Amino acid sequence: EAGVVQSPRYKIIEKKQPVAFWCNPISGHNTLYWYRQNLGQGPELLIRYENEEAVDDSQLPKDRFSAERLKGVDSTLKIQPAELGDSAVYLCASSSTGDLGVYTFGSGTRLTVV
Amino acid sequence: QKEVEQNSGPLSVPEGAIASLNCTYSDRGSQSFFWYRQYSGKSPELIMFIYSNGDKEDGRFTAQLNKASQYVSLLIRDSQPSDSATYLCAVNRAGGFKTIFGAGTRLFVKA
Repeated sequence: EAGVVQSPRYKIIEKKQPVAFWCNPISGHNTLYWYRQNLGQGPELLIRYENEEAVDDSQLPKDRFSAERLKGVDSTLKIQPAELGDSAVYLCASSSTGDLGVYTFGSGTRLTVV
Repeated sequence: QKEVEQNSGPLSVPEGAIASLNCTYSDRGSQSFFWYRQYSGKSPELIMFIYSNGDKEDGRFTAQLNKASQYVSLLIRDSQPSDSATYLCAVNRAGGFKTIFGAGTRLFVKA
């Protein structure tokens, strides 16, 4: 079984430029999460999807961040424009509905904003 | 006060010893507790979860939960150099789907 697939693995962009991250969850996992992990910190939730519905986006900085999950499968997280403070690892995770806290994480995208 | 607190370490133990990792949480109504292992440059992977007070054993790993003290721990017996990683404690809040991660404890197992 393929795990959670993310791309790209690394991204370096200049500040004020846009960037997008893509995630394909484990087949059959209805719940998809985007987390951000800063160096030396634990992952912090940005947004949670149940199927195609964003059910918790309270931590998503909506002035510059957006996300979508078309057809309840793949998801894209976008930042526009990026700021220096957005440099972090962006992790996608998925779980079966009801497996609260039982996540499978993707390999992450390491974003560097210069 | 952070919702989930862990000693950042590093915790250094010799090979074959018991490593003890601790975590406290602030939400008294929290229901579920998790330990994730994260190797340097890799993503977290789930190694244990515990829902009830007491101990839960899985191979060399034992998770301990004390809800009255709001305390979770992970014991690693017969520690190996391959156990060297950051261990993240995660807590699922009461009544919800929100899982909060601690900042992690770095563990070094010396050969």
